[in-house]
Amino acid sequence: DVKVTQSSRYLVKRTGEKVFLECVQDMDHENMFWYRQDPGLGLRLIYFSYDVKMKEKGDIPEGYSVSREKKERFSLILESASTNQTSMYLCASKSGDGRQYFGPGTRLTVT
Amino acid sequence: EDKVVQSPLSLVVHEGDTVTLNCSYEVTNFRSLLWYKQEKKAPTFLFMLTSSGIEKKSGRLSSILDKKELFSILNITATQTGDSAVYLCAVIPNSGYALNFGKGTSLLVTP
Repeated sequence: DVKVTQSSRYLVKRTGEKVFLECVQDMDHENMFWYRQDPGLGLRLIYFSYDVKMKEKGDIPEGYSVSREKKERFSLILESASTNQTSMYLCASKSGDGRQYFGPGTRLTVT
Repeated sequence: EDKVVQSPLSLVVHEGDTVTLNCSYEVTNFRSLLWYKQEKKAPTFLFMLTSSGIEKKSGRLSSILDKKELFSILNITATQTGDSAVYLCAVIPNSGYALNFGKGTSLLVTP
């Protein structure tokens, strides 16, 4: 079974702090994704990566950056956290047939 | 712009009822459609549909795709309280890496 893990299930940060969310997959997938999920807005794509050191902006990249130094690890960075970044963050890894496998999610609260 | 629309947005049924969830899409160069179930955690994969008219089935859940009319349905028969979840529909376009998600249908099954 594909396993996607995320570094934290719950996180509380203060406004202005730098926040790192990490995601690791164990299936040697090339494509990895970061989404945020908010009530009434569904899942929205922040960034994705199609190879090591390669990244593409999704629909809502503002206020975020990403890092992919190794194939199995994809990090989401909030350079200066703001309260409107309070959300559920989901990482996913994509298999060759297009199916995406999700990590357990990180519920981030910015106060 | 690509669009995935799910209906209804929410639904409350009694145990034992049969439900039908709808997903319509407008996506350039459609490749596949996926259904996910999301409880209080990450989405878990249910079905992938690529060919029109072929039903996918897993226990009490089944799904079918109509590529001419651009929609899919997810049926759940003899519902149980454990079926309570948000059901997400997503479409993979040929041209892109990322999934286009609908906003989901929230299903509550009452005893």
